Amino acid sequence: DSGVTQTPKHLITATGQRVTLRCSPRSGDLSVYWYQQSLDQGLQFLIQYYNGEERAKGNILERFSAQQFPDLHSELNLSSLELGDSALYFCASSVEGSPYNEQFFGPGTRLTVL
Amino acid sequence: QQQVKQSPQSLIVQKGGISIINCAYENTAFDYFPWYQQFPGKGPALLIAIRPDVSEKKEGRFTISFNKSAKQFSLHIMDSQPGDSATYFCAAATGGFKTIFGAGTRLFVKA
Repeated sequence: DSGVTQTPKHLITATGQRVTLRCSPRSGDLSVYWYQQSLDQGLQFLIQYYNGEERAKGNILERFSAQQFPDLHSELNLSSLELGDSALYFCASSVEGSPYNEQFFGPGTRLTVL
Repeated sequence: QQQVKQSPQSLIVQKGGISIINCAYENTAFDYFPWYQQFPGKGPALLIAIRPDVSEKKEGRFTISFNKSAKQFSLHIMDSQPGDSATYFCAAATGGFKTIFGAGTRLFVKA
């Protein structure tokens, strides 16, 4: 158990809908990362937050947004969902925002868009 | 320039054999190279990592070999066991950039 929690574990929704994925980092970790994992594309970095502020941005679509709250939990919002958004979404946390820090991954949220 | 290319995509090894996964990068600014292991239904977890000031790092049955001039690094799993069956991701990072992950290698160790 990495200490990172993600909810929900599974999510099934329809095209065009909007969903929110939630992540609680390990106690003491200030940085949160979001990744998308699909079958043929490995781990795609979406976005990173450090202590409430956006730190780095990856291949995140404009339909997606995220934020980190004062209690350090983070939410990833996915809107106008398309079939291709079906994937595993992982949250990871680290002590600081440095890439040299080990990232601890949560168990993931499996999103299925029908 | 920020890509990390990983091969093979999948690998089948007999129990007791050596599993070898290779990665290559282009950005010479990368100075931290972790490997992550992911079991089915779980998130990735850090397995072993290396800095470019050494050519090899060993932890138990897992060894990273690093070739700075060729911009390549590899993971060797000695005496591979069925319990090693997982997906392995190489990655590269440097202080000013996000961590870039390879596409992953699915390893299956036959008993």
